Amino acid sequence: DTTVKQNPRYKLARVGKPVNLICSQTMNHDTMYWYQKKPNQAPKLLLFYYDKILNREADTFEKFQSSRPNNSFCSLYIGSAGLEYSAMYLCASSTTYSGNTLYFGEGSRLIVV
Amino acid sequence: GNSVTQMQGQVTLSEEEFLFINCTYSTTGYPTLFWYVQYPGEGPQLLLKVTTANNKGSSRGFEATYDKGTTSFHLQKASVQESDSAVYYCVLGDGGNYQLIWGSGTKLIIKP
Repeated sequence: DTTVKQNPRYKLARVGKPVNLICSQTMNHDTMYWYQKKPNQAPKLLLFYYDKILNREADTFEKFQSSRPNNSFCSLYIGSAGLEYSAMYLCASSTTYSGNTLYFGEGSRLIVV
Repeated sequence: GNSVTQMQGQVTLSEEEFLFINCTYSTTGYPTLFWYVQYPGEGPQLLLKVTTANNKGSSRGFEATYDKGTTSFHLQKASVQESDSAVYYCVLGDGGNYQLIWGSGTKLIIKP
């Protein structure tokens, strides 16, 4: 089973309110990623966990937080949503032995109003 | 630095026509090159990948050849179907799982 599941699929949030997105995978992959995808743009890597080590991209360092309490689960947390956070958020996983192949979930669409 | 360029934002074809999606890349290393496909309502999924060891990849009727001379990795399919309608991303992997450089994507529209 190569399934990555994301919840919620759709989220409507008010400006200034927190948002928590959840991702799970049962493939025992060591690495989990969060990407932000806006229309007509390439997916943008926000952060990733290799095992328990969190790596955040420099330009999104302060905007997004994440936790990975176990190998299967990873969350993405926005403390105070702004209009610019409206996007599709894609979770993906991979393993060192998968040769860089990412397995993506269906995404969580966030709309901030 | 590393980069990937997809000049075609959108390609429109009729069924059974030949598909060619252009992709060029820039890197100083020996990358793995991927094509990911994203169907409507789904996350991206791997279509094919090629390393320096094998030069050419194919999957589901799609082919891509890794040309180090022209630094290109174009995607081709001899005869498209309506089910091929999707966004296609050319992706460069260099130096580790997380160091993926994504092209801007090419939306393929198939007229029924």
